[in-house]
Amino acid sequence: EAQVTQNPRYLITVTGKKLTVTCSQNMNHEYMSWYRQDPGLGLRQIYYSMNVEVTDKGDVPEGYKVSRKEKRNFPLILESPSPNQTSLYFCASSLLNRANTQYFGPGTRLTVL
Amino acid sequence: GNSVTQMEGPVTLSEEAFLTINCTYTATGYPSLFWYVQYPGEGLQLLLKATKADDKGSNKGFEATYRKETTSFHLEKGSVQVSDSAVYFCALLKTSYDKVIFGPGTSLSVIP
Repeated sequence: EAQVTQNPRYLITVTGKKLTVTCSQNMNHEYMSWYRQDPGLGLRQIYYSMNVEVTDKGDVPEGYKVSRKEKRNFPLILESPSPNQTSLYFCASSLLNRANTQYFGPGTRLTVL
Repeated sequence: GNSVTQMEGPVTLSEEAFLTINCTYTATGYPSLFWYVQYPGEGLQLLLKATKADDKGSNKGFEATYRKETTSFHLEKGSVQVSDSAVYFCALLKTSYDKVIFGPGTSLSVIP
């Protein structure tokens, strides 16, 4: 089954404790992206990647890191989480084609205390 | 720059009512246009899309027509069901190497 998986689905952590949210897709997509969704602010892009070893900042990259060492994986790293990073996070992937659908993961709800 | 505007809602309708969610965009050229739907507790999924002017996308009883002259892609459904309760996002994509631009989302609640 074609899908984007994220882990963990729920995470409660404390300020400053490094964490990684994993994202994996099995569709051989070149493009992968991370978004955060906050009430009243819609979807905001954090980072994206057009292919292996190619990443770029989105609209709200501060406090986040990503890597793309393999085509299927695109982990999101929070080196020192802060309470303002409490949010719902989505990973998405697609082919590099102007008509192509973005496939979204199920989301990771992160709470930083 | 490119942008998408849509009515933010929330929209509350009775079952079997007619639905319209307005979406207008700003972009040069001919972007692809999309409607995504987010059901409670889930990620977004594609509802329908159109890639050129006058194209009509349709799925699950929903329709939207790409209107270049009015730069619009309004979502319509003739008879909504309780199961259509969700957040609906209009989006555009200019080229393969651009990022997808999402509208703010419109929350729809359908009551029996």
